[in-house]
Amino acid sequence: GAVVSQHPSRVICKSGTSVKIECRSLDFQATTMFWYRQFPKQSLMLMATSNEGSKATYEQGVEKDKFLINHASLTLSTLTVTSAHPEDSSFYICSAFPRDRGSYEQYFGPGTRLTVT
Amino acid sequence: AQSVSQHNHHVILSEAASLELGCNYSYGGTVNLFWYVQYPGQHLQLLLKYFSGDPLVKGIKGFEAEFIKSKFSFNLRKPSVQWSDTAEYFCAVKINQAGTALIFGKGTTLSVSS
Repeated sequence: GAVVSQHPSRVICKSGTSVKIECRSLDFQATTMFWYRQFPKQSLMLMATSNEGSKATYEQGVEKDKFLINHASLTLSTLTVTSAHPEDSSFYICSAFPRDRGSYEQYFGPGTRLTVT
Repeated sequence: AQSVSQHNHHVILSEAASLELGCNYSYGGTVNLFWYVQYPGQHLQLLLKYFSGDPLVKGIKGFEAEFIKSKFSFNLRKPSVQWSDTAEYFCAVKINQAGTALIFGKGTTLSVSS
């Protein structure tokens, strides 16, 4: 199977600071990675699409200057939450499409729980 | 833009009862369909998926789903639920093109009492 990891799994930060979350495809190359956020007892909402070597595409209502996405290699995408506020507290999940499998099925990371105090 | 509707927000069943969770999507073209499960405190796991072929799809843990194109539906079923099936269930849809994102329904909470 295809494995996607996220680091850290949990992070607590103070309001106003920035937090970086990493998403790695461990055993495959990912042309495309997606970032989702999930509020308690709610569904996953797509935040942005990250393509290796190009700028991320953000969904409507997602502030690109607040949620910085960098997809620097075929195995790593990072999401940086800048100037975090308590309302940014959420569960952030990434997913990745394997490059060599026609990009029709995506694999999810275990998620990162962000708490902003 | 496509959307996904899950009609049941919270379903409560006794063990051995049968389960059917509804999922409808809105998109006129070819889609790929998925059901994911999220157990308390755990990450998403794929239950089953439909890309093409037989519209009746069997997944893990005794789950199955039927794709009815005319109804834009992909309902999840299980003949006899267990207490361990207590979880959040998400239906998801993606356009049948490489590199497109999954769009999730709001999820259904299933509570199974023993």
